[in-house]
Amino acid sequence: GAGVSQSPSNKVTEKGKDVELRCDPISGHTALYWYRQSLGQGLEFLIYFQGNSAPDKSGLPSDRFSAERTGGSVSTLTIQRTQQEDSAVYLCASSLVGTRGNEQFFGPGTRLTVL
Amino acid sequence: KQEVTQIPAALSVPEGENLVLNCSFTDSAIYNLQWFRQDPGKGLTSLLLIQSSQREQTSGRLNASLDKSSGRSTLYIAASQPGDSATYLCAVEAAGNKLTFGGGTRVLVKP
Repeated sequence: GAGVSQSPSNKVTEKGKDVELRCDPISGHTALYWYRQSLGQGLEFLIYFQGNSAPDKSGLPSDRFSAERTGGSVSTLTIQRTQQEDSAVYLCASSLVGTRGNEQFFGPGTRLTVL
Repeated sequence: KQEVTQIPAALSVPEGENLVLNCSFTDSAIYNLQWFRQDPGKGLTSLLLIQSSQREQTSGRLNASLDKSSGRSTLYIAASQPGDSATYLCAVEAAGNKLTFGGGTRVLVKP
């Protein structure tokens, strides 16, 4: 596709349920990032994948959060046992590291609401 | 720890006036700085990326400057239009490739 795509665009879930959020990066981009945007915390980094290297998970807020990237392309962010404070917009970005200063391109986001 | 600040948090100007948006960061050891635009309920659109070795970048009515030593960047939007109304975010990239964002400046251009 022409840009980064994410699905679903909106997700409403009940507290305690697990959710999966999907990201399709720009074709050929080697790096993929997840960020979270919430009212109280602004935009914050969650996790970063680069090629076949071990991901940088330093931004994940708890062990309920995990992510994987299959085949160096599509990524899934999983939140287990969701809590109300997980409500936020989850944004995915991709870039071609090493080219033109690593400009990151963002998807439209998934708005997660935990009731 | 890198901290990024954007002042003002909100800005309202009449159409045609030039916009000046400020961004400051605490750690000058950055690889690049990126300016984004975000419309309500939407994702981020990349506007300009300035590499650490550069002083400015221009795209159409947009011009962004970078003074790495003083930890500052300014985004200028010339001859503002109502369609420029949005939230503008700056972000810096340091070691590790992840972006650290400012809180954004919400801009309203009145017709």
